[in-house]
Amino acid sequence: AQRVTQPEKLLSVFKGAPVELKCNYSYSGSPELFWYVQYSRQRLQLLLRHISRESIKGFTADLNKGETSFHLKKPFAQEEDSAMYYCALAGGTSYGKLTFGQGTILTVHP
Amino acid sequence: GAGVSQSPRYKVAKRGQDVALRCDPISGHVSLFWYQQALGQGPEFLTYFQNEAQLDKSGLPSDRFFAERPEGSVSTLKIQRTQQEDSAVYLCASSLLRGPYRDTQYFGPGTRLTVL
Repeated sequence: AQRVTQPEKLLSVFKGAPVELKCNYSYSGSPELFWYVQYSRQRLQLLLRHISRESIKGFTADLNKGETSFHLKKPFAQEEDSAMYYCALAGGTSYGKLTFGQGTILTVHP
Repeated sequence: GAGVSQSPRYKVAKRGQDVALRCDPISGHVSLFWYQQALGQGPEFLTYFQNEAQLDKSGLPSDRFFAERPEGSVSTLKIQRTQQEDSAVYLCASSLLRGPYRDTQYFGPGTRLTVL
């Protein structure tokens, strides 16, 4: 069975501070991992995927297979980063069925 | 262009009623997913369509849940004899490709179902 764990339901930081949202996964094969974000009153949208190794809005995430983690990081948080963040895993199917974590609400204070 | 749309956005049903939730995917998208999101939880997979074929319904919680996509575009999720535990946001997502490529899933705004 595959599982995604986001240990923090709430995370608060001040503007300009570094932020790290934790994600751990359990999967026996080779996973594809994603971060999705939901801003207030908006729909769920893809933030980044590990396979692209890209940086979106200053966020990066590195897949650590040894620690089975995919933590999301940003060196300097902005107020507009305040949102709900979900880590998700696609594995075991060819069509990308996603298993989501419970989500972390990030609040960036001015 | 237009994104994924869902209707109704809100639905209140009395326990025991049947409900039908509609999803209009992005035009030309082959893959369509339904997810259920209970309060305070992440979305959970319900079912998957590739064009009109329902290839995975492993996440449907009971035989009261039924989904269809008869012409390979619009999809309907039907819940019969609704129960209070069915109260959740139902999300639809579509993606362009099929096969081994796990491309981006685009989500709709969701339908919030409340069963009284």
